[in-house]
Amino acid sequence: AQSVTQPDIHITVSEGASLELRCNYSYGATPYLFWYVQSPGQGLQLLLKYFSGDTLVQGIKGFEAEFKRSQSSFNLRKPSVHWSDAAEYFCAVGRNSGNTPLVFGKGTRLSVIA
Amino acid sequence: GAVVSQHPSWVICKSGTSVKIECRSLDFQATTMFWYRQFPKQSLMLMATSNEGSKATYEQGVEKDKFLINHASLTLSTLTVTSAHPEDSSFYICSATPGLADIQETQYFGPGTRLLVL
Repeated sequence: AQSVTQPDIHITVSEGASLELRCNYSYGATPYLFWYVQSPGQGLQLLLKYFSGDTLVQGIKGFEAEFKRSQSSFNLRKPSVHWSDAAEYFCAVGRNSGNTPLVFGKGTRLSVIA
Repeated sequence: GAVVSQHPSWVICKSGTSVKIECRSLDFQATTMFWYRQFPKQSLMLMATSNEGSKATYEQGVEKDKFLINHASLTLSTLTVTSAHPEDSSFYICSATPGLADIQETQYFGPGTRLLVL
């Protein structure tokens, strides 16, 4: 069965600093990987996704993620964090394809300080 | 982009009553919709998969008689929490996908419905 691990429950960074959120997955075939952001009390917004091709994926809001098959990782990065990036971030993997049920990690809460 | 709406956005009800939550795809036809539940400070967990015109498929541990799902049209799926109890209080999020034929397609999430059972 698929699983997603986000090792960091809570991360605090200073505004303007770089950010990396970790995600490791367990899946036997080609993974369909996603990063979502959730603001308090809100639904999910898709930041980026990886299905195949270039392993460095660009997303919205200046985020990018790199798929590393050898490490079973799909870490999310941003070179310079803005205060508005404070939110909960979820990594997810699709069971069989992009439009089948997603298995989510437990999330990483990002706090941004001045 | 594709938009999915949910109604209501939040609801408070008394224990023992039933609550219906609607999930609509506004600008595309959704052959499949998914219902997730998120408890406070937890991740999203899939409850059921809803396919238009057929019975929903429930995840292990989810009571199908308690969480009734109806996907009567290609743009609407409803989740009814029957005889709600305080432990059913949660954030319910639906997602919709245009179909399974295109594996490159993704699913689009609604804004969620917060349910509080007193």
